[in-house]
Amino acid sequence: TQLLEQSPQFLSIQEGENLTVYCNSSSVFSSLQWYRQEPGEGPVLLVTVVTGGEVKKLKRLTFQFGDARKDSSLHITAAQTGDTGLYLCAGALGSGTYKYIFGTGTRLKVLA
Amino acid sequence: GAVVSQHPSWVICKSGTSVKIECRSLDFQATTMFWYRQFPKQSLMLMATSNEGSKATYEQGVEKDKFLINHASLTLSTLTVTSAHPEDSSFYICSARDPRVAYEQYFGPGTRLTVT
Repeated sequence: TQLLEQSPQFLSIQEGENLTVYCNSSSVFSSLQWYRQEPGEGPVLLVTVVTGGEVKKLKRLTFQFGDARKDSSLHITAAQTGDTGLYLCAGALGSGTYKYIFGTGTRLKVLA
Repeated sequence: GAVVSQHPSWVICKSGTSVKIECRSLDFQATTMFWYRQFPKQSLMLMATSNEGSKATYEQGVEKDKFLINHASLTLSTLTVTSAHPEDSSFYICSARDPRVAYEQYFGPGTRLTVT
């Protein structure tokens, strides 16, 4: 059973366009993380959100944690070819736990 | 930032043999490490949680006797795939938690296992 569903699964856009990736669940998470992974490498942490409704910005990336802490979104403004990769959300169930369950993944390709 | 290494980075073995993968935290002590596997074009699936000095906790559906985990020190966890079969071919990734930093886990670069 996949607890975290990401949409879309695949996304191919032109450089300069904006995009949003969604991470949804029926479970409540104590914290949620977003990662980006390149082929053949381990995931790299982008952000951790902890509080319901929290919004964090990392340059052109904006992350939001849902009020009920069941969902999250990642918005990229003016995408660049360097943004290409696999984006993964990961949620921790229960307070004080650091065991993260990964989402289904969104594969992004930004075309020049 | 914290660094986690894995060894080997890739390995090819014959069906029926066992393979050991090491995960090391290089500049911090990790009381907890996690092992994941990832099939091509898929997400990471948590296999087990490895706690230093105690038995690993396996996720549902993961065979304990097939995937042996040992966390003998605060900087080293090992995953041994016993009697490997072609369906065990996958990308195995470990992560380590630095207890000094809330929420974060640091991922290793992964080990590509191919069983022929």
